Amino acid sequence: AQSVTQPDIHITVSEGASLELRCNYSYGATPYLFWYVQSPGQGLQLLLKYFSGDTLVQGIKGFEAEFKRSQSSFNLRKPSVHWSDAAEYFCAVVGFSSGSARQLTFGSGTQLTVLP
Amino acid sequence: DTGVSQNPRHKITKRGQNVTFRCDPISEHNRLYWYRQTLGQGPEFLTYFQNEAQLEKSRLLSDRFSAERPKGSFSTLEIQRTEQGDSAMYLCASSQSGGRGTYEQYFGPGTRLTVT
Repeated sequence: AQSVTQPDIHITVSEGASLELRCNYSYGATPYLFWYVQSPGQGLQLLLKYFSGDTLVQGIKGFEAEFKRSQSSFNLRKPSVHWSDAAEYFCAVVGFSSGSARQLTFGSGTQLTVLP
Repeated sequence: DTGVSQNPRHKITKRGQNVTFRCDPISEHNRLYWYRQTLGQGPEFLTYFQNEAQLEKSRLLSDRFSAERPKGSFSTLEIQRTEQGDSAMYLCASSQSGGRGTYEQYFGPGTRLTVT
């Protein structure tokens, strides 16, 4: 079964600094990978996705992520963080179970704090 | 496209009571998912509908939980005889069927359940 690990529970960065959030997955074949962001009291918003092809994918709000098969990683990056980026970030992988659900398996999340 | 909506946003109930939540997916999406998210964790898959058919259920979905999607549009999730361990955020998501849209799930704001 697939799994996702986000090693950093909490990260603090200063506004304007660069950001990298780590995600490692466990899956036998080529994974379909996603990053979602969740602000307090809000649902999950899709930031970006990887299916195949170019390993560097661009998303909304200036985020990008790089798929590295050799490291089983899909890290999220942003060159300059804004105060509004403070939120919880979740990495997820699609499950290809025997059924047709294609449900997402999520990591436990990384809480991002942005200092002024 | 009005997005996925969920009602109520918050529910406080006493242990042993029954509660029902509603989810209205994006109108052209025929795939619908329910997830549960507890504090400090990522969402966990509960169940999946394709149109009105409930095709998969997680082992997390105990006998006290039931979900329906009677006309293939909105869905309800009912919890009978609530327990304190049921306290969580219940998230609904929907996606298209066919192609890569199948894997892009769009989430509602969630219903936060507190069992006292």
